[in-house]
Amino acid sequence: AQSVTQPDIHITVSEGASLELRCNYSYGATPYLFWYVQSPGQGLQLLLKYFSGDTLVQGIKGFEAEFKRSQSSFNLRKPSVHWSDAAEYFCAVGERGDYKLSFGAGTTVTVRA
Amino acid sequence: EAGVVQSPRYKIIEKKQPVAFWCNPISGHNTLYWYLQNLGQGPELLIRYENEEAVDDSQLPKDRFSAERLKGVDSTLKIQPAELGDSAVYLCASSYGENTEAFFGQGTRLTVV
Repeated sequence: AQSVTQPDIHITVSEGASLELRCNYSYGATPYLFWYVQSPGQGLQLLLKYFSGDTLVQGIKGFEAEFKRSQSSFNLRKPSVHWSDAAEYFCAVGERGDYKLSFGAGTTVTVRA
Repeated sequence: EAGVVQSPRYKIIEKKQPVAFWCNPISGHNTLYWYLQNLGQGPELLIRYENEEAVDDSQLPKDRFSAERLKGVDSTLKIQPAELGDSAVYLCASSYGENTEAFFGQGTRLTVV
């Protein structure tokens, strides 16, 4: 069975500083990988996705993520954080031929001035 | 283009009462999902529809939960009777096929008292 681990429950970062959120998954084949963001009281918004090809993917709002097969990781990064990036971030894994997504428990990002 | 629409946004009910949630997916999306999100956790799939057919309902507690998707468009998720532990956010999502991402609605926050 698939599993997704987001090791950091909560991260605090200063505005303008860089951000990296970790995501590790357990799955036998090449998965589909996603990062979603959820602001308070809102649904999930897709930041970026990896299906195949270039392992460095660019997303919206200046985010990028890199798929590293050897490490079973799909870490999310942003070079310079804005106060509006404060939210909860979820990594999700999908299986080819199956539409089901498995989500991590999420990482809450706090941005301080 | 309108996104996934859910209603109501918030619902407070007493335990043992019935409750229903409604979802209107993005036009043209044949796949519809209902997810349960407990506080501080990632979403977990309850049921997935392909058009009118429920193709994955293995995680749906069928003793009290039911769902339908008439005409392969709108969907309703029902709980009868509700229990205190059902307090959570119920998310609806839709997608238009394999290799595509799911788009989420804003969710319905249910509080059972």
